[in-house]
Amino acid sequence: EVQLVESGGGLVQPGGSLRLSCAASGFTFSSYEMNWVRQAPGKGLEWVSYITTSSGTIYYADSVKGRFTISRDNAKNSLYLQMNSLRAEDTAVYYCARIRRDDSGRGYFDYWGQGTLVTVPS
Amino acid sequence: DTQMTQSPSSLSASVGDRVTITCRASQSISSYLNWYQQKPGKAPKLLIYATSTLQGGVPSRFSGSGSGTDFTLTISSLQPEDFATYYCQQSYSTPFTFGQGTRLEIK
Repeated sequence: EVQLVESGGGLVQPGGSLRLSCAASGFTFSSYEMNWVRQAPGKGLEWVSYITTSSGTIYYADSVKGRFTISRDNAKNSLYLQMNSLRAEDTAVYYCARIRRDDSGRGYFDYWGQGTLVTVPS
Repeated sequence: DTQMTQSPSSLSASVGDRVTITCRASQSISSYLNWYQQKPGKAPKLLIYATSTLQGGVPSRFSGSGSGTDFTLTISSLQPEDFATYYCQQSYSTPFTFGQGTRLEIK
């Protein structure tokens, strides 16, 4: 059974740092591209970051570029999000999500973790 | 960046109704359009990918169509468990933007 379990969320003061982890199991983690997606309280979904299987290609949303760093450790079946210079607007539930691609290369987020809450007071 | 606009933002319907949600992309995304369902306090769940392919285990009352910039999600006969928020998402290019969501409520 595919499982993604996030951890590392919590309360952090503005300007502080936090490192989120996503532990993967039930599939060959090293074969899948991964993402972080967040959802502010009562708001919609916002894509945050993407990483390829070998970490060779990484993308970020403009809202986090220069402050957040995505990484992975395929030996540990884990995905990470290092969040620095945190702001009140970063308050959200953070989900990790796996990308699967169809035969034509079209990607979709087929498995999501349960999320971890990050709170940055204003 | 490709903006995704869903309509309506909220919708009241009854069990058994046929419901259609629309998603429009600000530029062509071919068929790189996915739909997710989210219930309160839960992670999003994939319903449909590549515009019209039903994810395994998703009931056949859900269907998707469209291409280019205009897409629809249709629920043919609403069931009590379908009341949730629905999001479209484009995976054509980063940032992988989501629509703002459509909240489907019981009338």
